[in-house]
Amino acid sequence: EVQLVESGGGLVQPGGSLRLSCAASGFTFSSYDWHWVRQVTGNVLEWVSAIGIAGDTYYPDSVKGRFTISRENAKNAVYLQMNSLRAGDTAIYYCARVKVEGGIWYFDYWGQGTLVTVSS
Amino acid sequence: DIQMTQSPSSLSASVGDRVTITCRASQSISSKLNWYQQKPGKAPKLLIYAASNLQGGVPSRFSGSGSGADFTLTISSLQPEDFATYYCHQSYGSTWTFGQGTKVEIK
Repeated sequence: EVQLVESGGGLVQPGGSLRLSCAASGFTFSSYDWHWVRQVTGNVLEWVSAIGIAGDTYYPDSVKGRFTISRENAKNAVYLQMNSLRAGDTAIYYCARVKVEGGIWYFDYWGQGTLVTVSS
Repeated sequence: DIQMTQSPSSLSASVGDRVTITCRASQSISSKLNWYQQKPGKAPKLLIYAASNLQGGVPSRFSGSGSGADFTLTISSLQPEDFATYYCHQSYGSTWTFGQGTKVEIK
């Protein structure tokens, strides 16, 4: 059974840092790309970061230079280091596994999410 | 970035109704469009990928269609467990984006 479990969320002051973790089990972790997606106020979903099988990384402009995604295949884990946090980063953060089929990418499994609150 | 516009933003329907949700991309995205269902307090769940392919385990009353910039999610006969929020998602460009969601409520 595929399981994704996020951790590391919490309350942090503006300008602070947090490191989120996503522990995966039930499949071959190293064979997949991984993304972080967040859900902000109003339930809007925003793509936050991506890491490929080869370790290539991608970010939207909104977090580029502040967030870093990484993976540790030996531990079946993906991480999101978040620095210089702002109030607008307050959200539920989900890790999501990417499946590719016929040149189409999609999120076939999501974790349960971890809440990050940026407030003084 | 490619903008995804869903309509309507919310709708009220009764059990047994046919429900249609549309998603329009700001440019052509071929068939790189996916649909997710989210219930309160839960993570999104994949329903449809590549515009029209039903994810395993998803009831056949769900279907998707479209290509290019215009897409549709249809629920042929709404069931009580289908009351949720639905999101479209494009994976065409280097920056992936979601629609703003359509909340399906009980009439």
